[in-house]
Amino acid sequence: EVQLVESGGDLVQPGRSLRLSCKTSGFTFGDYAMGWVRQAPGKGLEWVGFIRSEAYGGTIEYAASVKGRFTISRDDSKSIAYLHMSSLKTEDTARYYCTRAIAAAGTPSYFDYWGQGTLVTVSS
Amino acid sequence: EIVLTQSPGTLSLSPGERATLSCRASQSVSNTYLAWYQQKRGQAPRLLIYGASSRATGIPDRFSGSGSGTDFTLTISRLEPEDSAVYYCQQYGITFGPGTKVDIK
Repeated sequence: EVQLVESGGDLVQPGRSLRLSCKTSGFTFGDYAMGWVRQAPGKGLEWVGFIRSEAYGGTIEYAASVKGRFTISRDDSKSIAYLHMSSLKTEDTARYYCTRAIAAAGTPSYFDYWGQGTLVTVSS
Repeated sequence: EIVLTQSPGTLSLSPGERATLSCRASQSVSNTYLAWYQQKRGQAPRLLIYGASSRATGIPDRFSGSGSGTDFTLTISRLEPEDSAVYYCQQYGITFGPGTKVDIK
């Protein structure tokens, strides 16, 4: 059974940093791209970014709203994906979901499995 | 950047009725890269349709997807009470539409 479990969400002050983890099981982690999606309270889904598998160079794409502040990484030996968030803003307050991405020729086309999410609140 | 627009914003229908949800892209999207998700209140989103028309594992056949180019449709042929949710389209594993809320009367 495929499982994705996020952790690390917390209440943090603006300008601070936070690292989210996504521990996975039930599939060969290294074969898949992994994505992050967030959802602000009462709002829709917003793509944050994804990291390709090493077969496609492990390259990373970010949404413009987080580029330069957020970093996605992966540890294939531990089957964990990470989202490191720095210079946090109040508008980064959201539930953050980890997703498994199905890629066509290295380009993620959809997310077939989602974690339950972890809540990040940015407030002074 | 491709922008997705979904309509209507809210759909209120009775059990057994047919729901038709629209997703329109500002530029042409390859069918390979168009997906639909369902999100029930308090839950994580769930993949319904990928490749514009292929049902994900375990999705009932009352859900179907169609369309090409810039216009895509999610149809729920016979609504059931558990279909009450917000439905999102997504392109290229990136941009999401704003969602359509389906209320079951």
